[in-house]
Amino acid sequence: KNQVEQSPQSLIILEGKNCTLQCNYTVSPFSNLRWYKQDTGRGPVSLTIMTFSENTKSNGRYTATLDADTKQSSLHITASQLSDSASYICVVSPSMEYGNKLVFGAGTILRVKS
Amino acid sequence: ETGVTQTPRHLVMGMTNKKSLKCEQHLGHNAMYWYKQSAKKPLELMFVYSLEERVENNSVPSRFSPECPNSSHLFLHLHTLQPEDSALYLCASSQDMGSGIETQYFGPGTRLLVL
Repeated sequence: KNQVEQSPQSLIILEGKNCTLQCNYTVSPFSNLRWYKQDTGRGPVSLTIMTFSENTKSNGRYTATLDADTKQSSLHITASQLSDSASYICVVSPSMEYGNKLVFGAGTILRVKS
Repeated sequence: ETGVTQTPRHLVMGMTNKKSLKCEQHLGHNAMYWYKQSAKKPLELMFVYSLEERVENNSVPSRFSPECPNSSHLFLHLHTLQPEDSALYLCASSQDMGSGIETQYFGPGTRLLVL
């Protein structure tokens, strides 16, 4: 069964600190992996997308890594800001022949405190 | 903003009511989606429309009825809902579907409470 597991479930850090969120998946065959940020009361917004051949992708202070062999991804946030408080969702897409059937993780809730 | 709007943003309804959720995308996309997001659970895909035709229905109860009158509008008609249907309902769109590489753009969602 295709699954995406995220950890931790929630996280509280001080402003300015770094943090890393984890995503493990069992989706196979695998096409690409996305990280979305969902602010409270808003819809998810795409941060990064990586295909199976990419190991890392950055978007400002957000850096995603991917290990397709171990089926693990991480999202590293550098120098956190209060505006980083949100839910971060890992989404995996099976191969092309399965269409756009994304497999969503439950998300990690990040809270940045001043 | 993502270019996908949803109305209403909040809705409270009784189990005997009939209501509709509306989604509009201003991106010229050909595929639109309805998702249900419950607390601490992954998003659940409910319906997919591509080029105004329904292409997927993931065993959703018949009390949820989608409608796609044109490529930029999507509705979710609700009737005789149950309290467990309370959730955030998200609409999304993508340029097309099938490649697996396209990004879906989400609306802000409608927070639904069924009493």
